[in-house]
Amino acid sequence: NAGVTQTPKFRVLKTGQSMTLLCAQDMNHEYMYWYRQDPGMGLRLIHYSVGEGTTAKGEVPDGYNVSRLKKQNFLLGLESAAPSQTSVYFCASSRREREQYFGPGTRLTVT
Amino acid sequence: GENVEQHPSTLSVQEGDSAVIKCTYSDSASNYFPWYKQELGKRPQLIIDIRSNVGEKKDQRIAVTLNKTAKHFSLHITETQPEDSAVYFCADSTTGNQFYFGTGTSLTVIP
Repeated sequence: NAGVTQTPKFRVLKTGQSMTLLCAQDMNHEYMYWYRQDPGMGLRLIHYSVGEGTTAKGEVPDGYNVSRLKKQNFLLGLESAAPSQTSVYFCASSRREREQYFGPGTRLTVT
Repeated sequence: GENVEQHPSTLSVQEGDSAVIKCTYSDSASNYFPWYKQELGKRPQLIIDIRSNVGEKKDQRIAVTLNKTAKHFSLHITETQPEDSAVYFCADSTTGNQFYFGTGTSLTVIP
C-alpha cells in the first residue's frame, strides 16, 4: 500500500496564479483532511471531508477550495495565490475517530 | 473555537533522562487526544493516543496521561534516546471530524 500520497512535492507560484494539490489514499478511509503547517503555529485545518461528495470548512478555509469527487482523492485548490499562502501543506486520511495518516507534504512558495 | 495550548515550545534533555510535554484544551466535550512525532522534513506520525474514558496509557517508553477535570493531558518519554529528537504535537477532537493541534514542542536529546 502506498498510504497517503501528495502531488506535487514542491511548487513555486507567482501572486495571482492558481493551482491544485492532489491527495490520494489507498486505505479506503472515509475521512480526508487538508492542513497547512507554518513555523510556530502547528497544523491548522483548512478543509475536510467525511465522505465522497462532501466537504466542510476547517479553521482557516479562506482562499482555498476543495473537492472530493472520488473516495480516494481530495483536491485542494488555490484560485488566486497570495504570499500569505506560502506554507507546507499536508493531507491526511482516517477512519472515523481513528488516527490520521499523513501524506509527505507539499512545500508551496508564493512570490 | 477550540484552543489547544502546548508547553514547552522547546525542551532539551540529557540522554537517559525523562521528557514531559503538557497540553491544555478548552472544550470539555473533547474526547480523543492523539500525540504526533514529526522528524525534520518528514510527515507527522502518531505515537500514542488516549480517549476520554481512560486516564493513562503506556507503550514501552512512552506514556500519556489525561486529567479531564483540569482539561490537560501530558506526554511522558522515559529513558530518552537521540532518536527521540523531533517535534511533538498534541491534538484533540470532539467529533472525530476536526482535530485541533498544539503549536509543537521541539525536543532535543543530548548524547
